[in-house]
Amino acid sequence: EDKVVQSPLSLVVHEGDTVTLNCSYEVTNFRSLLWYKQEKKAPTFLFMLTSSGIEKKSGRLSSILDKKELFSILNITATQTGDSAIYLCATGIGSSNTGKLIFGQGTTLQVKP
Amino acid sequence: GAVVSQHPSWVICKSGTSVKIECRSLDFQATTMFWYRQFPKQSLMLMATSNEGSKATYEQGVEKDKFLINHASLTLSTLTVTSAHPEDSSFYICSARAPRFGAGGSYEQYFGPGTRLTVT
Repeated sequence: EDKVVQSPLSLVVHEGDTVTLNCSYEVTNFRSLLWYKQEKKAPTFLFMLTSSGIEKKSGRLSSILDKKELFSILNITATQTGDSAIYLCATGIGSSNTGKLIFGQGTTLQVKP
Repeated sequence: GAVVSQHPSWVICKSGTSVKIECRSLDFQATTMFWYRQFPKQSLMLMATSNEGSKATYEQGVEKDKFLINHASLTLSTLTVTSAHPEDSSFYICSARAPRFGAGGSYEQYFGPGTRLTVT
């Protein structure tokens, strides 16, 4: 059975801290790994990773994929209260025509002032 | 670009009635749309894949006769929850698959804002 597991499930930090969110997966026909941020409504896209060892960066957020060990991490540096959200990891599986995503449970991040 | 809307954003219905939720891609055409449900403090669970002009593909454990999906055009998919029960109360989110802008050859899912269904 395809599985995506995130850790920790929840995290409370203070502004300015750096956090690392983890995502491991066991899926057949892996195509990509995606990170989303969800604040109350629909998830918004952060990163898509397809190659091992290549860091993707957007401002204070960065992510990297290890296809040998089957995991990815999402780093957030100098956290702000606006970073408080649920962070979802998903794997894209199957052929390029299906576009199917399998989501992890999510990590709820709370950043305190 | 790549905006997906859902209607309604929230709905309350009585047990035994049916509810229709619409998912529209506003500025692009989507041959494939996906329907997810999300219970409180849980992740998104894929319910079905909706392909324009053909029958939806349902995930294991999802009753196709209860959750009717219609994808009649390239910009609209609908999910009808038939004979709703309180346990169907959930957050339903759709997504539409489209080419990633500026990233030739790869696709991305663009999510709608979700519909909160409460069955009393």
